[in-house]
Amino acid sequence: QKEVEQNSGPLSVPEGAIASLNCTYSDRGSQSFFWYRQYSGKSPELIMSIYSNGDKEDGRFTAQLNKASQYVSLLIRDSQPSDSATYLCAVNAGNQFYFGTGTSLTVIP
Amino acid sequence: DADVTQTPRNRITKTGKRIMLECSQTKGHDRMYWYRQDPGLGLRLIYYSFDVKDINKGEISDGYSVSRQAQAKFSLSLESAIPNQTALYFCATSGVRDYGYTFGSGTRLTVV
Repeated sequence: QKEVEQNSGPLSVPEGAIASLNCTYSDRGSQSFFWYRQYSGKSPELIMSIYSNGDKEDGRFTAQLNKASQYVSLLIRDSQPSDSATYLCAVNAGNQFYFGTGTSLTVIP
Repeated sequence: DADVTQTPRNRITKTGKRIMLECSQTKGHDRMYWYRQDPGLGLRLIYYSFDVKDINKGEISDGYSVSRQAQAKFSLSLESAIPNQTALYFCATSGVRDYGYTFGSGTRLTVV
């Protein structure tokens, strides 16, 4: 079982809709959780971090964490074509980060 | 200037050649990492270093070596390049564990 699992997609949503991205992790001791956005051929860019159960909002982005169920999600409201990218979930467990393989999101104009 | 700088950005090399990828950071972080990214496989950790005297193997260290020349510099070497080392390589740095990574722009390496 991989440390971090994501649905690879592709996920397509129309412009203006809510995109929902999900991630599960295996290590119950994980303490820090991150979402990165990666455009094709570019480096991952940190967009959200979350450390405690519940929701964390930053602009159009909301990260949700449920440690009991071991999942993290990212909601993108009012999706824009510029949000089309691969989204990587990352989890800190001990001294290392574990990355999911990413979910490809396409926002259709 | 970028927080994490990787050189070269692109490199084509021949099988059997030795090649070095360089990384420097201006964030003052102690922790540095080398990852490779392949389509469908995500980011895989090659080596990591938590300070100048600390070097650790990651998930896929075979065929690679590293050198931590200073707090700000961490280089990756392929001793004898082979075609399946063709990939996108990223250097990253982090501070205290809760702050996430900052990635360099990447090096696209092609081994022919």
